[in-house]
Amino acid sequence: QSALTQPASVSGSPGQSITISCTGASSDFGSHHLVSWFQQHPGKAPKLMIYEDSERPSGVFSRFSGSKSGNTASLTISGLQADDEADYYCCSYADGWVFGGGTKLTVL
Amino acid sequence: EVQLVQSGAEVKKPGESLRVSCKGSGYRFTNYWIIWVRQMPGKGLEWMGRIDPGDSFTTYSPSFQGHVTISADKSITAAYLQWSSLQASDSAMYYCARLRRSEHDILTGLYPLDGFDIWGQGTMVTVSS
Repeated sequence: QSALTQPASVSGSPGQSITISCTGASSDFGSHHLVSWFQQHPGKAPKLMIYEDSERPSGVFSRFSGSKSGNTASLTISGLQADDEADYYCCSYADGWVFGGGTKLTVL
Repeated sequence: EVQLVQSGAEVKKPGESLRVSCKGSGYRFTNYWIIWVRQMPGKGLEWMGRIDPGDSFTTYSPSFQGHVTISADKSITAAYLQWSSLQASDSAMYYCARLRRSEHDILTGLYPLDGFDIWGQGTMVTVSS
């Protein structure tokens, strides 16, 4: 299974924008593998934030957006709010599902 | 309301068996695959396996194949994760989740393999002598 690499941590101030990257190890990651993103607050179950690289489920704020270019998918959060502080995971399917290692977002 | 409700926390001894349940409600249970995810204390998410509740076909992550068994009982809309012999290293939070499908996907028989849209609340399993 392909590995997905995320930065361990990112931070930003309220109102700013941040981007979390997710890089696939295999050469065909970008063209064939859809990416989803999950938010997890401490002690809570994960929540789907983005699917099919850039689609938002109903109820997810438009401040959250996803994109993909080549081997790297990205989650961008604009207008940071205190409640955005959480762990974020990317996920993709390649002969089974693989999660990235997770990124801890700190809102300063 | 569409939801997955998991069984409660468990404390077991090494070598004991265990079955954790995940009950779906508010939707047609057999239309959506259920996956299981492990999260060890302070660590990330790991996909363990998935089941199609319609026919109980399962696939497992190589990391968990042979150590856990995933099953389902569609008559009571429940999926299960079970161990025959627990180890201390099995201590973790376990989540079930539903694989997202659109109405079009259901009508056409497609499984998009992307996005787990409904999650159970998690079951904490502690294995200690």
